[in-house]
Amino acid sequence: DAGVIQSPRHEVTEMGQEVTLRCKPISGHDYLFWYRQTMMRGLELLIYFNNNVPIDDSGMPEDRFSAKMPNASFSTLKIQPSEPRDSAVYFCASSTTRSGNTIYFGEGSWLTVV
Amino acid sequence: GESVGLHLPTLSVQEGDNSIINCAYSNSASDYFIWYKQESGKGPQFIIDIRSNMDKRQGQRVTVLLNKTVKHLSLQIAATQPGDSAVYFCAESLGYSTLTFGKGTMLLVSP
Repeated sequence: DAGVIQSPRHEVTEMGQEVTLRCKPISGHDYLFWYRQTMMRGLELLIYFNNNVPIDDSGMPEDRFSAKMPNASFSTLKIQPSEPRDSAVYFCASSTTRSGNTIYFGEGSWLTVV
Repeated sequence: GESVGLHLPTLSVQEGDNSIINCAYSNSASDYFIWYKQESGKGPQFIIDIRSNMDKRQGQRVTVLLNKTVKHLSLQIAATQPGDSAVYFCAESLGYSTLTFGKGTMLLVSP
């Protein structure tokens, strides 16, 4: 299996622009997670889906952030409008369970908002 | 050590030494713990896990120790190699809840 695939790997955008991050989970995994990683706050869970349905979005920082999972093989995390404080690494992960050793992370999308 | 400001606590060791990385977890009710390794430019990777009904678990070159009394988790790496250089995170969960990650410790291994 190719693992969790994220795109883009790197993005630099101007403040106010829309950013869309994409994720393809591992086939057969019915949980999908979006995390944000910064030096100050570490790895934070933003939202997770089970069978394409959003279960908990309490980690989404504000209304500028939205996530969708239209089917079992694709998810997006959108930031509109983007702000410099959104600069971080965004990880997608997928799993067969909500927690545990079956969670696999993608290589991350490195976002810089200038 | 504790994380202060923008700097991760760092452990520097020589190749061949044994390394011990510590983690203080937050929830005394947590019943499942995982150690992850994150290499530069990559996502976290599972190393080893332990349930709260155990106090020690061994893997290949790694051992995890759990002290529930003081909410402390440690990862021991035997015969540390340069390829072990990475940031190490502990994570905890309770029941079927999602994982909560610690801030991480950077391990630097000198040849």
